Amino acid sequence: DIQMTQSPSAMSASVGDRVTITCRASQGISNHVAWFQQKPGRAPQRLIYASSALQTGVPSRFSGGGSGTDFTLTISSLQPEDFASYYCLQYSSYPWTFGQGTKVDIK
Amino acid sequence: QVQLVESGGGVVQPGTSLRLSCAASGFTFRSSPMHWVRQAPGKGLEWVAAISFDGANQYYTDSVTGRFLISRDNSKNTVYLRINTLRPEDTGVYFCANSAFNPWGQGTLVIVSS
Repeated sequence: DIQMTQSPSAMSASVGDRVTITCRASQGISNHVAWFQQKPGRAPQRLIYASSALQTGVPSRFSGGGSGTDFTLTISSLQPEDFASYYCLQYSSYPWTFGQGTKVDIK
Repeated sequence: QVQLVESGGGVVQPGTSLRLSCAASGFTFRSSPMHWVRQAPGKGLEWVAAISFDGANQYYTDSVTGRFLISRDNSKNTVYLRINTLRPEDTGVYFCANSAFNPWGQGTLVIVSS
């Protein structure tokens, strides 16, 4: 099975900060990675698919990158509504696997 | 628009079984693989199971293989998850999703407790 190691597990940041979250796959997965945002008590929402494709309606301050084993989610300028948890998902092969998650809170 | 509505959760005793349902609309259900994802209280997301568009193939995470059964009825636009021999660690919110994982359903809460 493919493991997704996500880091950091938590971080504190300020409005306007540039934030980068990483996921490392235990083996090469091409660009088969999606990123999700989840707010407390809500279902997750997809932000990015195919490593770098922005979901329709998602602000352009979100971007994704990487290929093979190393992937990143970047928020160029953190906004108040971005304080949430973020997860990567590999969908290269079954069983699909999520990263452990990153909680972004207010510094 | 795509809509997924999960149901069937509740408070159940360890060792019993439960069947969750997910009713889908707004997309071509019969053409889409479907997934179940769960989230234990205060924990992260865990991909649990998937089923091919025609129901011919099922896939599971290792920890549930043999106890969980995913199925679908394309005539009813519904996907199911049967959970056998429920354990306290099965407690959590169970979400369904289509192949796009966008959007998700609101989830159904399963609490396994005596």
